[in-house]
Order: sequence, then structure tokens, then C-alpha cells
Amino acid sequence: DAGVIQSPRHEVTEMGQEVTLRCKPISGHNSLFWYRQTMMRGLELLIYFNNNVPIDDSGMPEDRFSAKMPNASFSTLKIQPSEPRDSAVYFCASSFGQYNQPQHFGDGTRLSIL
Amino acid sequence: DAKTTQPNSMESNEEEPVHLPCNHSTISGTDYIHWYRQLPSQGPEYVIHGLTSNVNNRMASLAIAEDRKSSTLILHRATLRDAAVYYCILRDTGTYKYIFGTGTRLKVLA
Repeated sequence: DAGVIQSPRHEVTEMGQEVTLRCKPISGHNSLFWYRQTMMRGLELLIYFNNNVPIDDSGMPEDRFSAKMPNASFSTLKIQPSEPRDSAVYFCASSFGQYNQPQHFGDGTRLSIL
Repeated sequence: DAKTTQPNSMESNEEEPVHLPCNHSTISGTDYIHWYRQLPSQGPEYVIHGLTSNVNNRMASLAIAEDRKSSTLILHRATLRDAAVYYCILRDTGTYKYIFGTGTRLKVLA
């Protein structure tokens, strides 16, 4: 079975540019999560969708960050404008149901902002 | 959120059992104990979870203390592919959130 698919795997761009990260959750899963991992802060939850609706975006660091889920099989995380401190690995995860179900993670997008 | 305490790092020899401890003295009655691991350059991977009773699956076993203030993840025969950071996380039944700590970095020696 295909797992969570993220693209691109690596992104290098200059400060001020718009960055779009993409995620395809596992088919049939109705919960989707975006995380960010850095050495300093570890793994942090940015935003959570249930049935394509954003439920909790309290982890989104600033208005420069936005996320959408137009349908059950696709989500994007956008940073505009990007800054060097946004450099991190961004993970997408999905699960079936909200509670007590394991989350399945993609392999992440390693983002470097120069 | 209840917190967990894990050793920063552990070492094990290949093909020997590994016991990864986790302390969670402030656990509440509705907190499940979840374990994930993260291999190099990959996303976290679900390993196992439990509430009160010991649990077994194809990857590992989870031993939960009777007072639930600690638990141990058991890998029965460590392989080089088990080298990873292992996270012990408490998750309330009424929440979707995982709060990841710093985990235990397991090194497996050939």
C-alpha cells in the first residue's frame, strides 16, 4: 500500500520566495497533520485537518504560513514570503479517525531558505 | 500535557534484546502510551501503543508498570535496522495531538 507521499523531498530557495509543500495522505484516511522538525525545537504540530476542514492551526508560527486541503487526497503548506528561520524538515501525516489511531508519516520535505 | 522522561541514548549489540525505558509519573487515567521511532532521513514510524495491559505486535512488545508510571519498549532481537530515535508519548483519549519529546537514540552495534 502506498504511504503518505510528500513532494518535493528537498527544496532550496532564496529568502522572500514563495514555497509550496505538497502532501497526499493515505487513501481512506480522514485526518491530516503537518509537522515541522528542527534541531532546536524537535517535532512540532503546525496544523490539523479532519474531513478536509482545518480544526487546529494554533501551531502555525505566523501569517506567512498557510495550509489548505481542497479534497481528501491532497494538502498544501505554503510559506510566503519565506525566511531563513523557516529552514526545517516538514512532515505530513495522516490517520483514520482523530483519536487513538496511529498517525502515518511521510518521509518529509527538507527545506532550506538561503 | 503529561510529560515523559527517556534516556538520551542507549547502545545494544545486534541480535540481543533491547529494553527502552520511559517514565511518566504524571500520567492520567485516560492517557495512552504510544511509541514511535524515527530512522535517519525518514518520518516517525508508529511502533506500538497501550493503556494498561502489556501489548505485543510484530515489531515490539510494550510492558506497562502496574501503577502506569513507567513503561518499557522491548525489541526482542535488535538488528542494525533498528538504530533510530525512539519516542515515548502520552496521548489522551480525547485528543489527536502528539507532543514529541527528545526521545532515546538507540545505537545497535554489529
